Amino acid sequence: GNSVTQMEGPVTLSEEAFLTINCTYTATGYPSLFWYVQYPGEGLQLLLKATKADDKGSNKGFEATYRKETTSFHLEKGSVQVSDSAVYFCALSENAGGTSYGKLTFGQGTILTVHP
Amino acid sequence: DTAVSQTPKYLVTQMGNDKSIKCEQNLGHDTMYWYKQDSKKFLKIMFSYNNKELIINETVPNRFSPKSPDKAHLNLHINSLELGDSAVYFCASSSRPGSSYEQYFGPGTRLTVT
Repeated sequence: GNSVTQMEGPVTLSEEAFLTINCTYTATGYPSLFWYVQYPGEGLQLLLKATKADDKGSNKGFEATYRKETTSFHLEKGSVQVSDSAVYFCALSENAGGTSYGKLTFGQGTILTVHP
Repeated sequence: DTAVSQTPKYLVTQMGNDKSIKCEQNLGHDTMYWYKQDSKKFLKIMFSYNNKELIINETVPNRFSPKSPDKAHLNLHINSLELGDSAVYFCASSSRPGSSYEQYFGPGTRLTVT
């Protein structure tokens, strides 16, 4: 079956530090890949996505590149802010001829805390 | 205007009770989902409906029964609540049921079973 593995957290950084959150996946088909963010007390919001190999998703200074050869979708940001403190989820949705119906398989989430 | 709303936000109840959580989306989407987030933040899909028809039904106890009266609503009814049902339940919607369509999540309902 499909699975997503994220780096263990929590991650604690100082403001303006570089961020990497690793994400690798296992899928039988050709998945679309996503990063979702959950701010304290809120639901999930889509941060960025990539739907095919070598695509780069980007939003709010965050980037992730779909690497089929290493089955990875690592999240990066060059300079984090206190407001980036949240839980980050890597997820995949398999393009199984439409039969997956958009089902998202999530990683375990990585808690990020950014200090001033 | 809240795109995906859930009620109630918090629900505290005793074991054995029956409860419902309601979800509404005003985005005009065809597809809605229920996810469960456990105490370790792990998220897992439970159900999905497309145009009021069930399309995803994961391995969930049959005490959980989703109901979609129309495309804009997907409610979750839980019978005979157990301690292990304590979690945050998220509703989500997308314009279509395909893999590349963004899902919009509600704020969640925190269910505590005592």
